[in-house]
Amino acid sequence: QVQLQESGPGLVKPSGTLSLTCAVSGDSSISSNWWSWVRQPPGKGLEWIGEIYHSGNTNYNPSLKSRVTISMDKSKNQFSLNLNSVTAADTAVYYCAREGFGGYHLAYWGQGTLVTVSS
Amino acid sequence: EIVLTQSPGTLSLSPGERATLSCRTSQSVSNTYLAWYQHKPGQAPRLLIYGASSRATGIPDRFSGSGSGTDFTLTISRLEAEDCAVYYCQQYGRSPPMYTFGQGTKLEIK
Repeated sequence: QVQLQESGPGLVKPSGTLSLTCAVSGDSSISSNWWSWVRQPPGKGLEWIGEIYHSGNTNYNPSLKSRVTISMDKSKNQFSLNLNSVTAADTAVYYCAREGFGGYHLAYWGQGTLVTVSS
Repeated sequence: EIVLTQSPGTLSLSPGERATLSCRTSQSVSNTYLAWYQHKPGQAPRLLIYGASSRATGIPDRFSGSGSGTDFTLTISRLEAEDCAVYYCQQYGRSPPMYTFGQGTKLEIK
């Protein structure tokens, strides 16, 4: 069983940097597969933020690319999201997720963490 | 960038009925790259269907996916109260490489 758990500050000030970590446990190592971040603003749908491969390669949503960095720490079996210059529009539940067998879909998800951007 | 349009926006049906949810893509999509999710409030999204028609592990056979090209369908037969949720279709594009979600269909059980 693959388990993912998001952690990080629940409140970030406008113009600041949102930083989250996803800890991976169970029957999965971060040294394989693609690992994603997805968010859901209040009352809205799902928005993919980006992904990282075990090699360190990354892909980002073009609409967020200028502000996003995804990285991984293999020694801790975790990966991270940094989103800078945040505004109230970045308030959302943030999920980490892992691709399923064969790729191109997200089979394993964390429970999500709410991040509010407010002064 | 491929756009996914789901319809209807809201579907209200009774237990035991069949739900048919539509997902149309702005360009032809390989079945390999099309998936469906169920999302309930306060929970993580749950993968239902991948590869357009393959059920994910543990998903009841009441859930089925079909379609090709630009038109895809999620069918839920014999609706149960627990099926009340928002359903999203998703595609993975190669240029640029990224996931895109539809806007969702809210399924209400009367």
